[in-house]
Amino acid sequence: DSGVTQTPKHLITATGQRVTLRCSPRSGDLSVYWYQQSLDQGLQFLIQYYNGEERAKGNILERFSAQQFPDLHSELNLSSLELGDSALYFCASSPGLAEYEQYFGPGTRLTVT
Amino acid sequence: QQQVKQSPQSLIVQKGGISIINCAYENTAFDYFPWYQQFPGKGPALLIAIRPDVSEKKEGRFTISFNKSAKQFSLHIMDSQPGDSATYFCAANPIQGAQKLVFGQGTRLTINP
Repeated sequence: DSGVTQTPKHLITATGQRVTLRCSPRSGDLSVYWYQQSLDQGLQFLIQYYNGEERAKGNILERFSAQQFPDLHSELNLSSLELGDSALYFCASSPGLAEYEQYFGPGTRLTVT
Repeated sequence: QQQVKQSPQSLIVQKGGISIINCAYENTAFDYFPWYQQFPGKGPALLIAIRPDVSEKKEGRFTISFNKSAKQFSLHIMDSQPGDSATYFCAANPIQGAQKLVFGQGTRLTINP
């Protein structure tokens, strides 16, 4: 158990809908990262937040957005969902900016029908 | 585009044997190379990592070998056990700035008893 929690575990929704995925980092970790894992694209970095501020962006679609709250939990918002958005979404955390080790949560499996 | 190429896609090894997974990267703008282990239904778990200033790092049965001039690194699992059966991902973190890991495509390892 990495100490990173994610909810919900599974999510099934229809095309065009909007969903919110939630992540709580390990106690004391200030950085949160979001990744998407799909069969064809593998594990792809989406976005990083550090202490409430966006620090890095990867291949994140404009329909996706994230934020990190004062209590350091983070939410990933996915809107206008398409079939191709079906994937596993992982959150990871690390203590700060200088440490490289990232600890992954158990993931949220999103199915868009 | 920064890429990490991983091989083989799948690997079957007998119990007690040595499992070897290889990765190669295409440019020199990486300074941290972790390996992650993922079991079905779980998030990736950090296994072992190396920086480019060393050529080898060993932790228990797991060893990373790093060849900076060839831009290659590999994971060796000695005395492979059925419990090692999982998917393994290599990754690389770009120099200068955010910790946005670039992952290889993964290797599904099966250890036969």
